[in-house]
Amino acid sequence: GQQLNQSPQSMFIQEGEDVSMNCTSSSIFNTWLWYKQDPGEGPVLLIALYKAGELTSNGRLTAQFGITRKDSFLNISAPIPSDVGIYFCAGQNTGTASKLTFGTGTRLQVTL
Amino acid sequence: SAVISQKPSRDICQRGTSLTIQCQVDSQVTMMFWYRQQPGQSLTLIATANQGSEATYESGFVIDKFPISRPNLTFSTLTVSNMSPEDSSIYLCSVVGTSAYEQYFGPGTRLTVT
Repeated sequence: GQQLNQSPQSMFIQEGEDVSMNCTSSSIFNTWLWYKQDPGEGPVLLIALYKAGELTSNGRLTAQFGITRKDSFLNISAPIPSDVGIYFCAGQNTGTASKLTFGTGTRLQVTL
Repeated sequence: SAVISQKPSRDICQRGTSLTIQCQVDSQVTMMFWYRQQPGQSLTLIATANQGSEATYESGFVIDKFPISRPNLTFSTLTVSNMSPEDSSIYLCSVVGTSAYEQYFGPGTRLTVT
């Protein structure tokens, strides 16, 4: 089935440096969602994007809906250790009864 | 957002047996889904649980292997039948919130098949 590619696959938090990750698709979506999953937990919804070009923030998180509707970006400013986890993007089309297609995930880790 | 609980939270099962996973929501919701997350992987939709009718399965998933019930607007079950080690995964239910596009997940059920 269709899959969304996320990059990078993993990254480390560097103190004082923002982190960015992106999600690309071969087809368009009408809605993009970003989730974070901690070990042993279900994904938690962070941000929902509904319109091409839209830029939405949730605290230190900012996400953008790409103009082509085939991509989305998530930025975390001033990351802290509790930001560690796996971030998933998910695409949705209004004609598919809320079904989500998930990205491959980006693992955010902290340097020991 | 709705509060979603799943039972059991984890289980270790023997090959050839079946396990039924429960998903309970604290409010009525129109749409419920079941996902599978294989070890170290992303989430894959198994089926849409339809209230009062048969579930709608995605390609690669069949009713005989993953029977689903949804007797009302707050509860659903997923059964993993005739299990094999390849069924070892996290199984998650999700619901659509008041916005038709925002979907919320339960804590998951971690299944290990030996």
